[in-house]
Amino acid sequence: NAGVTQTPKFRVLKTGQSMTLLCAQDMNHEYMYWYRQDPGMGLRLIHYSVGEGTTAKGEVPDGYNVSRLKKQNFLLGLESAAPSQTSVYFCASSQERILLIRTQYFGPGTRLLVL
Amino acid sequence: ILNVEQSPQSLHVQEGDSTNFTCSFPSSNFYALHWYRWETAKSPEALFVMTLNGDEKKKGRISATLNTKEGYSYLYIKGSQPEDSATYLCAFGKTSYDKVIFGPGTSLSVIP
Repeated sequence: NAGVTQTPKFRVLKTGQSMTLLCAQDMNHEYMYWYRQDPGMGLRLIHYSVGEGTTAKGEVPDGYNVSRLKKQNFLLGLESAAPSQTSVYFCASSQERILLIRTQYFGPGTRLLVL
Repeated sequence: ILNVEQSPQSLHVQEGDSTNFTCSFPSSNFYALHWYRWETAKSPEALFVMTLNGDEKKKGRISATLNTKEGYSYLYIKGSQPEDSATYLCAFGKTSYDKVIFGPGTSLSVIP
């Protein structure tokens, strides 16, 4: 099992450009999450999904969109990148509905730099 | 807004020292408290999940306790080793809230 994988690992964008980050998991998990990690801030939830075809907003959703067309994939889109979106992005998945108990499995992260 | 706090922000200890740090969370409607270990350039990995007041968990030299009534959890590392150097995150789950909130982490450096 590859677990949770993220593509790409690193990307540089210019302000105003768009891009999509891909998260894939092979554990058949229902729940998937996108976080951003900034110095001194810990992990902040951007969007999450409780199943194929469903998405919901987290703590910091502005400027991002997501889609979960297939159970194993969770895409994070930046329509018009801004320097404030420079961050490290982590995807995570969880095994079952009672997320509050179940452990989250994290991907390796995507480092994004917006100039 | 749910605030999860961790202290200290960073910690430097000598190899062999024992250490501990704190996670504070709202005590009302508690559901679960998670600890994760996050090494530099890697992904966070789960250490413990605790759900009951008074829970104690142990994995090797690392242990954790939980006090849901006063809203805190301690993580202890006995006889710190350089490989324990990492950021330790706690995450709090509240009843009827289908996502956990992460604290900012405590960065531990163990000096050989």
